[in-house]
Amino acid sequence: GAVVSQHPSWVICKSGTSVKIECRSLDFQATTMFWYRQFPKQSLMLMATSNEGSKATYEQGVEKDKFLINHASLTLSTLTVTSAHPEDSSFYICSAVASDPSGQGVGGYGYTFGSGTRLTVV
Amino acid sequence: AQKVTQAQTEISVVEKEDVTLDCVYETRDTTYYLFWYKQPPSGELVFLIRRNSFDEQNEISGRYSWNFQKSTSSFNFIITASQVVDSAVYFCALSEADTGGFKTIFGAGTRLFVKA
Repeated sequence: GAVVSQHPSWVICKSGTSVKIECRSLDFQATTMFWYRQFPKQSLMLMATSNEGSKATYEQGVEKDKFLINHASLTLSTLTVTSAHPEDSSFYICSAVASDPSGQGVGGYGYTFGSGTRLTVV
Repeated sequence: AQKVTQAQTEISVVEKEDVTLDCVYETRDTTYYLFWYKQPPSGELVFLIRRNSFDEQNEISGRYSWNFQKSTSSFNFIITASQVVDSAVYFCALSEADTGGFKTIFGAGTRLFVKA
């Protein structure tokens, strides 16, 4: 259980276009999802926390108008990179918090990560 | 503020050697979670272990073991009899229970090369 599906796994787009990345929790409800970015040979940096039905919380230095996050349902969060530029090329990965049956939070299942999306902007 | 330090950038060993990956964390919370993840070249993150702050028991899973010491704020990962398939980047991570949404902060990662 607790599987997170992320699509697409890789995408190449032209500079100036927008790209949407989807993160779905397949067999559980995720009230909270996280979006991370990882540049080559670097660690995962948290970009934003996505909460179902409310606005995302962005980390310092992350442009919310450039990285649009929509968490419209308990199983889907999307990250849209708007007007992408070559410097946005990176590995984007989402994670979801799977609650235990009592809904108490992370203590039951912990975190599950999607397989990541490698974005290349040319 | 939470912080995770993995001082070892790269480690290179010969197959069958034991290797320890160090992780030191900082947190002001009394309730927190520690994680180790493996990231092979394909990029996906593979969950290895989660430990909560109230459970200091060391854990062993096959060739993997973890040494959690609250006194030194360390959560080290030991691979016994390493194999080539262990070659990957390993991340230690920390999540504080009372931060909104349990966000996770990652260390810089340790790249492990296991040579045949």
